[in-house]
Amino acid sequence: DTEVTQTPKHLVMGMTNKKSLKCEQHMGHRAMYWYKQKAKKPPELMFVYSYEKLSINESVPSRFSPECPNSSLLNLHLHALQPEDSALYLCASSQPGQGVGEQYFGPGTRLTVT
Amino acid sequence: AQSVSQHNHHVILSEAASLELGCNYSYGGTVNLFWYVQYPGQHLQLLLKYFSGDPLVKGIKGFEAEFIKSKFSFNLRKPSVQWSDTAEYFCAVSRIYNQGGKLIFGQGTELSVKP
Repeated sequence: DTEVTQTPKHLVMGMTNKKSLKCEQHMGHRAMYWYKQKAKKPPELMFVYSYEKLSINESVPSRFSPECPNSSLLNLHLHALQPEDSALYLCASSQPGQGVGEQYFGPGTRLTVT
Repeated sequence: AQSVSQHNHHVILSEAASLELGCNYSYGGTVNLFWYVQYPGQHLQLLLKYFSGDPLVKGIKGFEAEFIKSKFSFNLRKPSVQWSDTAEYFCAVSRIYNQGGKLIFGQGTELSVKP
């Protein structure tokens, strides 16, 4: 199974809402990533988990809170977002170390903040 | 700071034309290089990769890339494009740290192939 799944596919939320994005992979990968992507732009790295521990936080605002419950799951908790946070949120996984460059991406969650 | 530069923002070609997309990186150490592709409405997926060895690497769908260390370049090529190659193409470099690693993407090149 070489698939990364993400739910939901679309999410509309108000600025006072709390919601969560979910990501799952069954490839035995031990590194997982959250990215934010705007239209016609490259993915911007937000967080990296390596062996279920947060290893990289790219100075992301605290209204985004990642969680890695186990090696297959990755969540992104959202609270008090701003309209400029509207984007496609991508999850990816890979093996750590030399495998970092070979990432498998999910289809993304299209987030709209109203 | 390490960066990846893609020369062309938008390339428009007719079917059967040859393709070359430029990519340069700025990093003096050992690098692993990648091209990713994002077809309209689809997942970002790996097109090809270079770690070491033969500087000419072949990927899926007839794509190839050449690593030229002296020029810090990793250009993507295809002899004859098809309409189905219409997509966004991203060059990327991986950085590995003790505590993890990440990909650094270029700004992307949008390829439009006219039938």
